[in-house]
Amino acid sequence: DIVMTQSPDSLAVSLGERATINCKSSQSVLYSSNNKNYLAWYQQKAGQPPKVLIYWASTRESGVPDRFSGSGSGTDFTLTISSLQAEDVAVYYCQQYYSSPYTFGQGTKLEIK
Amino acid sequence: QVQLQQSGPGLVKPSQTLSLTCAISGDSVSSNSAAWNWIRQSPSRGLEWLGRTYYRSKWYNDYAISVKSRITINPDTSKNQFSLQLNSVTPEDTAVYYCGSGSTWPIDYWGQGTLVTVSS
Repeated sequence: DIVMTQSPDSLAVSLGERATINCKSSQSVLYSSNNKNYLAWYQQKAGQPPKVLIYWASTRESGVPDRFSGSGSGTDFTLTISSLQAEDVAVYYCQQYYSSPYTFGQGTKLEIK
Repeated sequence: QVQLQQSGPGLVKPSQTLSLTCAISGDSVSSNSAAWNWIRQSPSRGLEWLGRTYYRSKWYNDYAISVKSRITINPDTSKNQFSLQLNSVTPEDTAVYYCGSGSTWPIDYWGQGTLVTVSS
């Protein structure tokens, strides 16, 4: 199985400041034939199912604010929130869909400082 | 817009079978571009993908190795839904279970979640 490890486990950021969450996979999720990274980011608010923010490591889902961005390739990825808003308080997960089983990171809890 | 509505019992006895159903609106379970997943979430195991079913001229299933000997995911074309059966459950199977779908990946649409407790 590909193990997904996120850092940090929790993060407190002031409103308007940048938040950065990292995700590392135990093996590359870059598919060489199409040069795509099989990596998604999800946001989960309390009492709700997860919601996809980013897929292919850097493609923003329709309707997701442009303050959310994804970067990275191979085994190291980053989710950045450029200017934290109150509604961004949530747990964030990365997921690889390169190979079955399609594993998730342990989650990063984002709070307001 | 795809909507997924989950149903099924919230309490299952140890050694019995957990059964959940996910009713689909806004798409077809027989779609040649969608995949229909079950995922669970617990404090001890986090988010865990369990398996999926999808149609690409014929039906395919794909299961996580951790549950492969106990799981069945079936489409029901007559009712436009899909189901999860997990056999021989133990308290470690206690979790919130979600159905989810997307154009293969990622999972764009999620059910509301069902807390299933395994207890006598």
